[in-house]
Amino acid sequence: QITLKESGPTLVKPTQTLTLTCTFSGFSLTTTGVGVGWIRQPPGKALEWLALIYWDDDKRYSPSLKSRLTITRDTSRNQVVLTVTNMDPVDTATYYCARRNYGFDYWGQGALVTVSS
Amino acid sequence: QSVLTQPPSVSEAPRQKVTISCSGSNSNIGRNAVNWYQQFPGRAPKLLIYYDDLLPSGVSDRFSASKSGTSASLAISGLQSEDEADYYCAAWDDSLNGPVFGGGTKLTVL
Repeated sequence: QITLKESGPTLVKPTQTLTLTCTFSGFSLTTTGVGVGWIRQPPGKALEWLALIYWDDDKRYSPSLKSRLTITRDTSRNQVVLTVTNMDPVDTATYYCARRNYGFDYWGQGALVTVSS
Repeated sequence: QSVLTQPPSVSEAPRQKVTISCSGSNSNIGRNAVNWYQQFPGRAPKLLIYYDDLLPSGVSDRFSASKSGTSASLAISGLQSEDEADYYCAAWDDSLNGPVFGGGTKLTVL
């Protein structure tokens, strides 16, 4: 059974750095072709892809947010970590992690992050 | 402004068929596989269609999809009230070097 779960703060202040952890089970991030990505969704708005890390440690970032994002993995702990610097109220959203195989085939439940002073 | 263009909403009566369009460009739909996701309010998206027209295990065959050139479409036949959800198309974009999503389409079953 494949599961993913996001964890991290629910509230951050403007200019702070957000660190989110995706803990997964049921698959390995060392399996050829597999990746884990982060996608966010502001309240009432569309999905927006943020970052992706693959089995070979190849990393991809959304061009519009690349300067603020860092994605890393810990294969021994089955975790993928996303950091977002300089948070702003417009970054308020539900942040999802998802396995990338043929599309994003398994998703976490999402973590709502609010940016407010 | 999403890279892929979808109608904001569609509606149709129960037991009818509805189609949701998704328009892109040569850097995404024109060259790469299209995926479709279904999302209920307050829930995570679920993969509905992959590789343009394939259904993951467990997805009803009332769902089908197709692609032509730089456009794709999702069809839902025999509409049921439980199909009311938001639907998103997505594809890899070679110019952006990552996946892109459509703006989503809200389906209402009248």
